[in-house]
Amino acid sequence: GNSVTQMEGPVTLSEEAFLTINCTYTATGYPSLFWYVQYPGEGLQLLLKATKADDKGSNKGFEATYRKETTSFHLEKGSVQVSDSAVYFCALIPWGFTGGGNKLTFGTGTQLKVEL
Amino acid sequence: EADIYQTPRYLVIGTGKKITLECSQTMGHDKMYWYQQDPGMELHLIHYSYGVNSTEKGDLSSESTVSRIRTEHFPLTLESARPSHTSQYLCASSGIRETDDQETQYFGPGTRLLVL
Repeated sequence: GNSVTQMEGPVTLSEEAFLTINCTYTATGYPSLFWYVQYPGEGLQLLLKATKADDKGSNKGFEATYRKETTSFHLEKGSVQVSDSAVYFCALIPWGFTGGGNKLTFGTGTQLKVEL
Repeated sequence: EADIYQTPRYLVIGTGKKITLECSQTMGHDKMYWYQQDPGMELHLIHYSYGVNSTEKGDLSSESTVSRIRTEHFPLTLESARPSHTSQYLCASSGIRETDDQETQYFGPGTRLLVL
């Protein structure tokens, strides 16, 4: 079946540090890959996505590259801010499901804490 | 910006009570979803709908039920609440809108339920 594995948290960084949150997946074909972010007390919101191999998704200084050869979609940011403190979820939609249900498979989430 | 609403945001209720969690979206999306988020942050799909009069059970077995009589409305009902139902419930939708792709799910702010 489909699954997403992401690094456990919490991850604690100082402001302006470099961030990497690892995400690997198991799925057949070419799933679409997502990073969602959940700020305290809120629902999830899409951070970025990639739909095919070697695509790079980017938003708000965050980036992730779809690596088919390593089945990975690691999230990176060059300089984190206190306002980036949140829970980050890696997710996939299986290949061939576009428009037909869009059932997301989520990782377990990684909490990021950024301190001054 | 997401136009999906959930009420109530917080609910404390006694065991055995019947409750309905409301979810509405104004985006005209055909697909809607309910997720249960446990204290460890992990998200589990409990119900989804492809359109009016269509409902399906998700990956996690749930004692709740849902209905989809109108496109914009997807309420979740617990006939008899128990302490094991204590959790956060997130509603989401996806579909075709002018600026949307079909895959991105838009989440509401969630309902935090505490059953005593």
